[in-house]
Amino acid sequence: QITLKESGPTLVKPTQTLTLTCTLSGFSLSTGGVGVGWIRQPPGKALEWLALIFWDDDKRYSPSLESRLTITKDTSKNQVVLTMTNMDPVDTATYYCAHRLSAQNYDYWGQGTLVTVSS
Amino acid sequence: QSVLTQPPSVSAAPGQKVTISCSGSSSNIGNNYVSWYQQFPGTAPKLLIYDNNKRPSGIPDRFSGTKSGTSATSATLGITGLQTGDEADYYCGTWDNILNTGVFGGGTKLTVL
Repeated sequence: QITLKESGPTLVKPTQTLTLTCTLSGFSLSTGGVGVGWIRQPPGKALEWLALIFWDDDKRYSPSLESRLTITKDTSKNQVVLTMTNMDPVDTATYYCAHRLSAQNYDYWGQGTLVTVSS
Repeated sequence: QSVLTQPPSVSAAPGQKVTISCSGSSSNIGNNYVSWYQQFPGTAPKLLIYDNNKRPSGIPDRFSGTKSGTSATSATLGITGLQTGDEADYYCGTWDNILNTGVFGGGTKLTVL
């Protein structure tokens, strides 16, 4: 059974760096073809795609946020980590990690973690 | 402003059929697969349709996806036999080859009257 779980701070201050961890279960990022993405959703707003990492360490980023984002994987811990620098109140959102089925299809999602940016 | 355009809301009566459109361009829908997600308040999105018209295991055939229009730059989610439990937000998603990023629609709120 595939599950994903996000963890990290619920509150960060403006200009701080956010680090979120996605712990994977039921699949491995060392398996060929596997990918894990991050998607966020500000309160009451639409989904926004952030980043994607593949089993072979290939990475994709949202161009609008690329300068602030880093996605990495720790295969030994079966985790994916997303860091976002210079956080701003507009970055307040629920952050989801998700298992990529194929193309831009995400079939398993974590429960999400709400991150609030406020001083 | 989302790259993919969806109507903000749609509504229909129980038992009826509803369609939700997702309009894009040749750089996204026109040349990539489309997926559809269902999201209830406070919960994570759930994959309903992938690769334009495929249903993951466990998704009833009341849900269907199509891709059509001039140069196939639009996609549609269809839901038949509407139930009150279908009231949710629905999102389309795909990849954009020019922006080089994943993109989602702005979401459509379905109300079952």
